[in-house]
Amino acid sequence: SQQGEEDPQALSIQEGENATMNCSYKTSINNLQWYRQNSGRGLVHLILIRSNEREKHSGRLRVTLDTSKKSSSLLITASRAADTASYFCATQIQGAQKLVFGQGTRLTINP
Amino acid sequence: DGGITQSPKYLFRKEGQNVTLSCEQNLNHDAMYWYRQDPGQGLRLIYYSQIVNDFQKGDIAEGYSVSREKKESFPLTVTSAQKNPTAFYLCASSDWDRGYEKLFFGSGTQLSVL
Repeated sequence: SQQGEEDPQALSIQEGENATMNCSYKTSINNLQWYRQNSGRGLVHLILIRSNEREKHSGRLRVTLDTSKKSSSLLITASRAADTASYFCATQIQGAQKLVFGQGTRLTINP
Repeated sequence: DGGITQSPKYLFRKEGQNVTLSCEQNLNHDAMYWYRQDPGQGLRLIYYSQIVNDFQKGDIAEGYSVSREKKESFPLTVTSAQKNPTAFYLCASSDWDRGYEKLFFGSGTQLSVL
């Protein structure tokens, strides 16, 4: 079964609004990462948060991690049409050298 | 430009045929990975390699084979034993010095069955 479960599966908002997507996982992790995928393309790394961190920022991105609830959220502020993409969380499980990906959230920004 | 190159972008397989997907990187990364993505789904790990001449099975290795003869190259062969090969295949690499944390991806190969 998938380590990461993302919510919602799809999200459609107006340009300029904030977008929030969530990721839950099952086992202890070293870090959690978020990636973006434009249609038919490879994934691009956005941000990494380690298990001992609670919040991280990068430009218009804000990631939080709650290890007690085994969950993370990605907030994109002041959304733009170019943010339209699928967003995936990925967890590096403790003791493993590989990432496990969630099923993704498809984000659509309407002009 | 440094990066990962996957080829071809589109590939068609006839029944009973083996096909090979190419993945080359010039990032000098030690680790390389192959993922499979089905429509609307996340990525599932097929094989990965942390060092030349060594590789490990991922979660869905059956029907696939790989080799790692050079640091820069990690080709994936989809064999005739893989009965449902239609999917988007993604190659990635990561850096040992960074604990394999951040993955760099190629642009993918779409494999379809004729």
